[in-house]
Amino acid sequence: GAVVSQHPSRVICKSGTSVKIECRSLDFQATTMFWYRQFPKQSLMLMATSNEGSKATYEQGVEKDKFLINHASLTLSTLTVTSAHPEDSSFYICSASRDSGNGYTFGSGTRLTVV
Amino acid sequence: QQQVKQSPQSLIVQKGGISIINCAYENTAFDYFPWYQQFPGKGPALLIAIRPDVSEKKEGRFTISFNKSAKQFSLHIMDSQPGDSATYFCAASIGGYNKLIFGAGTRLAVHP
Repeated sequence: GAVVSQHPSRVICKSGTSVKIECRSLDFQATTMFWYRQFPKQSLMLMATSNEGSKATYEQGVEKDKFLINHASLTLSTLTVTSAHPEDSSFYICSASRDSGNGYTFGSGTRLTVV
Repeated sequence: QQQVKQSPQSLIVQKGGISIINCAYENTAFDYFPWYQQFPGKGPALLIAIRPDVSEKKEGRFTISFNKSAKQFSLHIMDSQPGDSATYFCAASIGGYNKLIFGAGTRLAVHP
């Protein structure tokens, strides 16, 4: 079945530094990748949608200069949280889909803690 | 504007009972309706999904009922087990590959 690998699973960083999260589709080409943010006991909130080779589309209220998304290939998308602050601490989850409309495959998530 | 409304927020069921979670959507262009199960610290995992051309879909103990005219769909978990204790999310999208909109989630606890 389709597998999406997300790394790292946990990361602790100092306030003001940047953190990169990788999302890879291991056995299929992901036409589109999505990045979500989830606070404790809350739902997944879509941050942005990225298509290979083009700029990401950000949801309203998401700072594109703070959350940099790169989708350089059909199997890799990265999310970089720049100048992280404690309020950026959250669970970040990626997912990938194909144009076939067969649904979405989610990564296992990244727990970001900014101290 | 919340596009997918989910209820209840939490649910307690006895082992062997039926768990029922409901969702309602607003956008009539949605044509892909999945349900996900999420355990703490993990990404969501697909349980079952349905498209509007059928009114019911069953996979094992999980059944989706879909009412297109009412714009509602529900998840039924038969013979609920303690291992089913998790958070369940309904979602909706257009085409099954465009952005996926999630409901607020339901925390299910199955007591032995």
